[in-house]
Amino acid sequence: EDQVTQSPEALRLQEGESSSLNCSYTVSGLRGLFWYRQDPGKGPEFLFTLYSAGEEKEKERLKATLTKKESFLHITAPKPEDSATYLCAVQPYSGGYQKVTFGIGTKLQVIP
Amino acid sequence: DSGVTQTPKHLITATGQRVTLRCSPRSGDLSVYWYQQSLDQGLQFLIQYYNGEERAKGNILERFSAQQFPDLHSELNLSSLELGDSALYFCASSITGGAVDTQYFGPGTRLTVL
Repeated sequence: EDQVTQSPEALRLQEGESSSLNCSYTVSGLRGLFWYRQDPGKGPEFLFTLYSAGEEKEKERLKATLTKKESFLHITAPKPEDSATYLCAVQPYSGGYQKVTFGIGTKLQVIP
Repeated sequence: DSGVTQTPKHLITATGQRVTLRCSPRSGDLSVYWYQQSLDQGLQFLIQYYNGEERAKGNILERFSAQQFPDLHSELNLSSLELGDSALYFCASSITGGAVDTQYFGPGTRLTVL
């Protein structure tokens, strides 16, 4: 069974204090790994897709990286508006199309 | 705004009742997915439709059913509701539903069962 474990569950940062969120996964052949941002009571907002180990993608203060067993979301000099829950999800080669498994997320709070 | 719309935004009903949630995908997307999000369980995949046909099934209860119509909108029907069905229900859509397609999520329907 595919599994996604995100850590820490919650993270509190001062504005400007860089950090990383971790997503560990177990999947029978990774087709793609996704990062989403979710604000309270709203739908997840797509951030990145990573396909293979060694791949990196950046968007503003966010940078996602992928290894064979985990992915990191690095947040550089975060601002209060980066406060949200960050979700990681994996899509395996086996199973039905797009049968994506999500982690529970890391709730990030950035304090001014 | 992802372009995916869901109605209603909020739904309050009683145990034993039946409700229908509606989703319109982004223009051009052929695939629709339904997810349930509870406080302690994260996003749980329920079911996927592609161009009117069921494509993949997740942890969907037998009391729940879905369909995708010729105009590509989708409905999720929840019956014999229980207190534990209270959750956020999200719809997502993607272009094809195959390979590695990015799923774009709607704003969700918050269901409260009293």
